[in-house]
Amino acid sequence: DAGVIQSPRHEVTEMGQEVTLRCKPISGHNSLFWYRQTMMRGLELLIYFNNNVPIDDSGMPEDRFSAKMPNASFSTLKIQPSEPRDSAVYFCASSPGQTNSPLHFGNGTRLTVT
Amino acid sequence: EDKVVQSPLSLVVHEGDTVTLNCSYEVTNFRSLLWYKQEKKAPTFLFMLTSSGIEKKSGRLSSILDKKELSSILNITATQTGDSAIYLCAQAGTALIFGKGTTLSVSS
Repeated sequence: DAGVIQSPRHEVTEMGQEVTLRCKPISGHNSLFWYRQTMMRGLELLIYFNNNVPIDDSGMPEDRFSAKMPNASFSTLKIQPSEPRDSAVYFCASSPGQTNSPLHFGNGTRLTVT
Repeated sequence: EDKVVQSPLSLVVHEGDTVTLNCSYEVTNFRSLLWYKQEKKAPTFLFMLTSSGIEKKSGRLSSILDKKELSSILNITATQTGDSAIYLCAQAGTALIFGKGTTLSVSS
């Protein structure tokens, strides 16, 4: 099993640019989660999907952030326009069930906005 | 206000020491308590605790849940330099909510 795959591994962009982060969950997992990790705030849940449907997006910080899951094997997190305070490591994770299942994390995308 | 609180935030010990990491959580919507270890990349799963008082053990690591106190501890005995990492606990409700983690540094 290849695990959760995220791309790119690193992204450096200028303020105001659009950023798209991608995630391929583990095959057969029907829940997908996007987290953001910073030193100050730790791991914060941004949004999660169950069977491709967004269940809770209350963690999405602003309208500049959007996430989609067009099918069971692909999700994107988009930031438009990006700002320096968006700099963080963004993790995607998947699990077999909606709740009470250990999450399997991808290796993350380190985003730097200058 | 944080729902999951870990302490200490950081810890420095010598190889061979025993450490205890703490995690407190909210009762609202609680289903289980999970522990993860994060080294350079992604958090990796250690334990899931659902029942109070039942110890989960894996080698030198062990963990237990106290539902009365709304807390959990993670013990590591005979620490090694490879145990240096961030240890995260998470409350499972409708989704996993993580604490800020405890950064453990084990010196040789």
